[in-house]
Amino acid sequence: GNSVTQMEGPVTLSEEAFLTINCTYTATGYPSLFWYVQYPGEGLQLLLKATKADDKGSNKGFEATYRKETTSFHLEKGSVQVSDSAVYFCALRGSSASKIIFGSGTRLSIRP
Amino acid sequence: KAGVTQTPRYLIKTRGQQVTLSCSPISGHRSVSWYQQTPGQGLQFLFEYFSETQRNKGNFPGRFSGRQFSNSRSEMNVSTLELGDSALYLCASRQTLNTEAFFGQGTRLTVV
Repeated sequence: GNSVTQMEGPVTLSEEAFLTINCTYTATGYPSLFWYVQYPGEGLQLLLKATKADDKGSNKGFEATYRKETTSFHLEKGSVQVSDSAVYFCALRGSSASKIIFGSGTRLSIRP
Repeated sequence: KAGVTQTPRYLIKTRGQQVTLSCSPISGHRSVSWYQQTPGQGLQFLFEYFSETQRNKGNFPGRFSGRQFSNSRSEMNVSTLELGDSALYLCASRQTLNTEAFFGQGTRLTVV
């Protein structure tokens, strides 16, 4: 079945550091891929998405490129801020009308 | 446009009781999904409803049930509560089954 694997956390970085959170997936066909972010005490918010191979999703300085050849959708940001501290979830929706499946989440902490 | 609304935000119940959680989706969204989030298990999919019909179901015991009304609002019921049911229950709505999900802030259920 479909699945998502993302890097274990927690990840701790200094402010203005470069961020990469790895995400790989297993799916048949052509899934849609998502990154969600969860701030403390909140639900999940959609951060960015990509619906076909080579698409790049971007939002708030975060980017992720849909790489079908490596089945990956790594999240990157060039310069993180303290306010980026949160839990990040990689997710996929497989074939049409299927449920959205989430990875285990990566907790990110940014030091001032 | 109002977001996904979950009520109540917090709930404390005793083992053996039952509980009903409510979710109002974004206006115009016809799909509602429910997820259980715990520190140990992460985000686990419970079920998804679309136009009052259950479309997808996760691997939870029959004590967990749900329904969707004609106005797309959804309720989730858990009977014979166990200590392990303590979790954050998240509801998400989608416009169709082929679009991204938008989450509510969740209901924090504590079973004592």
